[in-house]
Amino acid sequence: ETGVTQSPTHLIKTRGQQVTLRCSSQSGHNTVSWYQQALGQGPQFIFQYYREEENGRGNFPPRFSGLQFPNYSSELNVNALELDDSALYLCASSLIGFYEQYFGPGTRLTVT
Amino acid sequence: KNEVEQSPQNLTAQEGEFITINCSYSVGISALHWLQQHPGGGIVSLFMLSSGKKKHGRLIATINIQEKHSSLHITASHPRDSAVYICAVSAEITDKLIFGTGTRLQVFP
Repeated sequence: ETGVTQSPTHLIKTRGQQVTLRCSSQSGHNTVSWYQQALGQGPQFIFQYYREEENGRGNFPPRFSGLQFPNYSSELNVNALELDDSALYLCASSLIGFYEQYFGPGTRLTVT
Repeated sequence: KNEVEQSPQNLTAQEGEFITINCSYSVGISALHWLQQHPGGGIVSLFMLSSGKKKHGRLIATINIQEKHSSLHITASHPRDSAVYICAVSAEITDKLIFGTGTRLQVFP
């Protein structure tokens, strides 16, 4: 059984650029959630995907979008990057209906 | 006001001390989670509970549903326990997690 993995580990982008972050779910999990964690803060829910459809969204603008693939891997895309997008981005996988989530190591995004 | 509040925000202790971190929440929940985050960023789930008490090694988590309050206790603390401890709740009906801001614990030898 493999755990949740994320890539890349670190990323530096310039304001206005676009970025894609990737997450590979734990084997057997069909739901993936994405979170943004600013420095010194708790994570904030961005959105969740189940069966390749968005299944709930937090208070994030449309330039944050996602995809879930048939193998349950997932992408988080952020367009028109802003300085405030600098954060640790965490994904977590789970089984729908079960509340325990398994977190990946995160991708640290720096926007300059 | 945050939906999940933790206290204290920062905590320092000497090795061997008994530690308590508190969490209060204001929303209906299906479950409460205690998570541990090390400086590298990765989050590890310590406990998920919806009633009563759970114990794992030196860690104990309790929850009082009526009072909307949970505590995480660490007995005989050790420097390797140094981390950020985060309380999160699964909002009722969904499994969307709402997080507290975390408690930064440092245990000195």
